[in-house]
Amino acid sequence: EDQVTQSPEALRLQEGESSSLNCSYTVSGLRGLFWYRQDPGKGPEFLFTLYSAGEEKEKERLKATLTKKESFLHITAPKPEDSATYLCAVLSTSGTYKYIFGTGTRLKVLA
Amino acid sequence: DVKVTQSSRYLVKRTGEKVFLECVQDMDHENMFWYRQDPGLGLRLIYFSYDVKMKEKGDIPEGYSVSREKKERFSLILESASTNQTSMYLCASSFSGPGSPLHFGNGTRLTVT
Repeated sequence: EDQVTQSPEALRLQEGESSSLNCSYTVSGLRGLFWYRQDPGKGPEFLFTLYSAGEEKEKERLKATLTKKESFLHITAPKPEDSATYLCAVLSTSGTYKYIFGTGTRLKVLA
Repeated sequence: DVKVTQSSRYLVKRTGEKVFLECVQDMDHENMFWYRQDPGLGLRLIYFSYDVKMKEKGDIPEGYSVSREKKERFSLILESASTNQTSMYLCASSFSGPGSPLHFGNGTRLTVT
């Protein structure tokens, strides 16, 4: 069964304290792995798509990486405005439209 | 930028009412989706549509129906609202190409009393 697990559930960082969020996945075949940012009361905002192991994408203080079993979202020198819930999702080859979401990591960056 | 617009941010309805949630996207995406998001349960797929007038059930379709008469518009209908349908409802769209990401609207917070 296709599955996505995110860890930790919650993370508190001091401003400038770099860290990583983890997304472990089990799929029969990977069409794509997606990272989203979600602010309270709003819809998820698309950040990155990764398609194959070894791929990396960057945007400002965020960098996403992918292996055959997991993805990491690295946050370098975070700022308070990076506080949000970060969601990971995968699209497997077993279902054209079946996106499987993790339950997210709630990130709080303290000034 | 992709724009997915949901007609209401907040909605309060009474048990038994028929409820319409509307979603419009401006990127000519083939696929459209309705999810609900609840604390601890994450995002769960209610219905999706891969073309006009085409629809498929997701994981939790019971108590819901959908309508897609035009490519840019996808409606979610709660035939007879119940309190367990109180939730955040998220509409999303995507291209039909393999591995295309979902783009979400800002959600409708529905409360059924």
